[in-house]
Amino acid sequence: DTEVTQTPKHLVMGMTNKKSLKCEQHMGHRAMYWYKQKAKKPPELMFVYSYEKLSINESVPSRFSPECPNSSLLNLHLHALQPEDSALYLCASRAGQGALPTNEKLFFGSGTQLSVL
Amino acid sequence: DQQVKQNSPSLSVQEGRISILNCDYTNSMFDYFLWYKKYPAEGPTFLISISSIKDKNEDGRFTVFLNKSAKHLSLHIVPSQPGDSAVYFCAASGGYGQNFVFGPGTRLSVLP
Repeated sequence: DTEVTQTPKHLVMGMTNKKSLKCEQHMGHRAMYWYKQKAKKPPELMFVYSYEKLSINESVPSRFSPECPNSSLLNLHLHALQPEDSALYLCASRAGQGALPTNEKLFFGSGTQLSVL
Repeated sequence: DQQVKQNSPSLSVQEGRISILNCDYTNSMFDYFLWYKKYPAEGPTFLISISSIKDKNEDGRFTVFLNKSAKHLSLHIVPSQPGDSAVYFCAASGGYGQNFVFGPGTRLSVLP
């Protein structure tokens, strides 16, 4: 199994809603990532979890709250989002054998297309 | 400041010919480079990678070349097929942190 599975594939939410994005991998990877991608732009890093602990937060607003319940799961909780938060949200993982991603590739999920009205 | 650059936003190539996608980087600490292919509304798919200890890596129709002195890498696709039409991202990692830095992408169109 070399898949990273993300649900839902599409999400439309209002600015007062609370929703969650889910990500799952069963490759035994120990590092998991959240990226945000706007149209015609490269993926932008949001968060990195390493061995289930948050290791990088790229100054993401608190309306985005990540959670790593176990080594296979990664959630992104959304609350009071703004229309400019509409984007493709990508989850990714790597083996994470070391602290640095030397010679390791990222495996991406297919993403959640989020629209905030 | 962009650490990974892909200066051609788009490229059109005839089916069967060679596609060459270029990528430049500024951070000499990068030691691992990857190419990803992306279709609209899907996640990026890994294509091929190269470590800084090599100058060439080949996988089927895809070859990546690395010129460390010029801080430049290129992806060659031979022969190009219509199914190769997608956005190609160059990415780099290494030296510090756990981030993978992505370039802005090049949209490749392979014409039948």
